[in-house]
Amino acid sequence: KAGVTQTPRYLIKTRGQQVTLSCSPISGHRSVSWYQQTPGQGLQFLFEYFSETQRNKGNFPGRFSGRQFSNSRSEMNVSTLELGDSALYLCASSLAVTGGDEQYFGPGTRLTVT
Amino acid sequence: AQKITQTQPGMFVQEKEAVTLDCTYDTSDPSYGLFWYKQPSSGEMIFLIYQGSYDQQNATEGRYSLNFQKARKSANLVISASQLGDSAMYFCAGVTSGTYKYIFGTGTRLKVLA
Repeated sequence: KAGVTQTPRYLIKTRGQQVTLSCSPISGHRSVSWYQQTPGQGLQFLFEYFSETQRNKGNFPGRFSGRQFSNSRSEMNVSTLELGDSALYLCASSLAVTGGDEQYFGPGTRLTVT
Repeated sequence: AQKITQTQPGMFVQEKEAVTLDCTYDTSDPSYGLFWYKQPSSGEMIFLIYQGSYDQQNATEGRYSLNFQKARKSANLVISASQLGDSAMYFCAGVTSGTYKYIFGTGTRLKVLA
């Protein structure tokens, strides 16, 4: 079974631009979660989608948004990029029907904002 | 607010010895799960082991086992017979039933010495 894939793997953007990251979950997984990982803040939860519905979100500004498609693929968008948005963005998929399932992570997208 | 505490920022262990990494979950919910992940320098998060709060026995997966203390809400990871390839960051994560929001600790950097 193929793992979680994320595209692109690396991205360099300029302040003020916007960016869209993509995540394809493991086949059969309907839950996709997004995390931001930085050396200073660690792993922070952005949001989680299940069957195209956002079930939970973290404490990030509205510039961070996401969506999930009917095939469970998910995208994350960051508008008006700031230098502090430079981070590794990780996507994780799981069965997550009840909330206690293990998550499987993709390789991440490393975003650099200059 | 819920919080995962990992008190050891860094640890060293001699090859072939056992090592214990600490994790405590600050939650008022009696139904929760605790997970451990390994993140090598390549960046990908690898699921290792899971413990549910109502599980009767401590979880075991190969060389990984959990020392679960329910009253303290802690699930310390024990790695037996350490190998050089075990050198990585180790993250503990917790989720309460029905929330789908996984909280991660700050991680422990483990270095296995030859």
